[in-house]
Amino acid sequence: QKEVEQNSGPLSVPEGAIASLNCTYSDRVSQSFFWYRQYSGKSPELIMSIYSNGDKEDGRFTAQLNKASQYVSLLIRDSQPSDSATYLCAVNGGRNFNKFYFGSGTKLNVKP
Amino acid sequence: GAVVSQHPSRVICKSGTSVKIECRSLDFQATTMFWYRQFPKQSLMLMATSNEGSKATYEQGVEKDKFLINHASLTLSTLTVTSAHPEDSSFYICSAPTSGGSNEQFFGPGTRLTVL
Repeated sequence: QKEVEQNSGPLSVPEGAIASLNCTYSDRVSQSFFWYRQYSGKSPELIMSIYSNGDKEDGRFTAQLNKASQYVSLLIRDSQPSDSATYLCAVNGGRNFNKFYFGSGTKLNVKP
Repeated sequence: GAVVSQHPSRVICKSGTSVKIECRSLDFQATTMFWYRQFPKQSLMLMATSNEGSKATYEQGVEKDKFLINHASLTLSTLTVTSAHPEDSSFYICSAPTSGGSNEQFFGPGTRLTVL
């Protein structure tokens, strides 16, 4: 079982719609959760971090964490073509505190 | 967010040569840095954890004698690909976590290595 699992996609949504990206993790004691965006040929860019259960909103982005279900999600409202990228979920602070575990990423296509 | 730089951004070298890649944390100190490799259309693969003042920790399957890591200071880690071969051609990315509770990890812009 992988430490962090994501659907590889691609996830296609029309411009202006809500994109919903999901991630599950295996280490129940994980403490820190992150979403990164990676454009083709570029390095990952941190867009959201979340540490406690519930929702965290930042502009068009909302991260949701449910530790009981070991589930993290990212909602992108009013999706734009410029949001088209691969979104990586990362988890830290579990049994191996110093390690970050990344999912394989979900490719998002926002169609004009 | 915090800034991590990498140099060079792109390098082309002949097979058998060694290539050094530098990773610097510009506005914070990093006792730990991570080195990743990413092949086209594949996910990030953690190669090793660089620890300031001590030996790096390598992931299973990564040759420590081929990928030399030196964490010389709290702001600089280097990765040297020794005797590079075409199969080492990849996108190498470093990252560093900030301290102070948030533990957010910031990536450098990456180094694209092409070995001819």
